[in-house]
Amino acid sequence: SQQGEEDPQALSIQEGENATMNCSYKTSINNLQWYRQNSGRGLVHLILIRSNEREKHSGRLRVTLDTSKKSSSLLITASRAADTASYFCVTGANNLFFGTGTRLTVIP
Amino acid sequence: GAVVSQHPSWVICKSGTSVKIECRSLDFQATTMFWYRQFPKQSLMLMATSNEGSKATYEQGVEKDKFLINHASLTLSTLTVTSAHPEDSSFYICSAGSGAGAGYEQYFGPGTRLTVT
Repeated sequence: SQQGEEDPQALSIQEGENATMNCSYKTSINNLQWYRQNSGRGLVHLILIRSNEREKHSGRLRVTLDTSKKSSSLLITASRAADTASYFCVTGANNLFFGTGTRLTVIP
Repeated sequence: GAVVSQHPSWVICKSGTSVKIECRSLDFQATTMFWYRQFPKQSLMLMATSNEGSKATYEQGVEKDKFLINHASLTLSTLTVTSAHPEDSSFYICSAGSGAGAGYEQYFGPGTRLTVT
């Protein structure tokens, strides 16, 4: 199945530090999305990057995409305690396939 | 805009009973709705895709007779867990979208936590 795998599975950092999460996927894609999920809550769409884009910014978020390596990264700069959540990379257009997720903990 | 609601947000039921979960797109018409389930500390898994007015398409391994999906209108889809068992306890999330192709974006509901005792 077209499923991404995030690395690391869990990440714990101090507030103010940067957090980097990586995602690898298996098949060719048209776009890749990143979502966040607070514990036991619904999903929030963060950013979408198309296959012809290499980098995209949104506020404190920076996403890169390397289609030759079938990988993407999500960088959260100047992290805050409120960024504590699980982050998923997602591939697919109509049917979405979720990666395993990275659990980020930002310590105040 | 693009708000999706789910009802109920949590439900506890006894083993053997059926539970219905509603998913509504509040401010747009959703030609397609998706149902996911998520076990604790795991990723979301797509269960089925439903298009308005047609039968749902189930992913491999998902029992269609157990998880009944109805998508009767462009703003409402329901998931009924029939004869629920404790192993059906999970977090169920729906999403709604329209259009297709690159750049397509789904909007997710807040989820329903089902506990079967």
